[in-house]
Amino acid sequence: DAGVIQSPRHEVTEMGQEVTLRCKPISGHNSLFWYRQTMMRGLELLIYFNNNVPIDDSGMPEDRFSAKMPNASFSTLKIQPSEPRDSAVYFCASSLLARTPNQPQHFGDGTRLSIL
Amino acid sequence: TQLLEQSPQFLSIQEGENLTVYCNSSSVFSSLQWYRQEPGEGPVLLVTVVTGGEVKKLKRLTFQFGDARKDSSLHITAAQPGDTGLYLCAVINTGGFKTIFGAGTRLFVKA
Repeated sequence: DAGVIQSPRHEVTEMGQEVTLRCKPISGHNSLFWYRQTMMRGLELLIYFNNNVPIDDSGMPEDRFSAKMPNASFSTLKIQPSEPRDSAVYFCASSLLARTPNQPQHFGDGTRLSIL
Repeated sequence: TQLLEQSPQFLSIQEGENLTVYCNSSSVFSSLQWYRQEPGEGPVLLVTVVTGGEVKKLKRLTFQFGDARKDSSLHITAAQPGDTGLYLCAVINTGGFKTIFGAGTRLFVKA
């Protein structure tokens, strides 16, 4: 079975540039999550979608960050303009949230982003 | 202050040794999950514990949920280099949508 697919795996760009990260969730999953992971702050939830609708974006650090989910099989996280402090590994995860609790989240392998 | 406090932060041991890592909180949870993250990959769910005092075993890994459902431990017997990784505990918030992760214990098992 195909897992969560993220692209690109690595991105190096100069500050001020626009960065777009992409995610394809597991087919049939109805929830999608974007996380950022750094050594200092650990794994932080940025935003999550349920049935393609953003439910909670309180973790999005600034207006420079935006996320979309135009359909059930695709999501993007965009940073514009990017800054060096945005350097981190960004993970996408998907889950089948239903009445059954404790559904696991399935993570992609992440995008390692470096802003110079 | 983190909702979930994990200890130790780092652990480096020799192959064959036993170890225990902890996940503590002052809050009560209906369930708790443990994930393992290997270098260059995303976290993968190992287990979910839901009942106070519950013990679950996964090969050489033993997970326990505290009686008061505020804490959990993970014990590894005879650690192997393949156990190397970041171990994260996590809880799901009331409402069931948001998973909150601890900062993790980074384990390195030397051959």
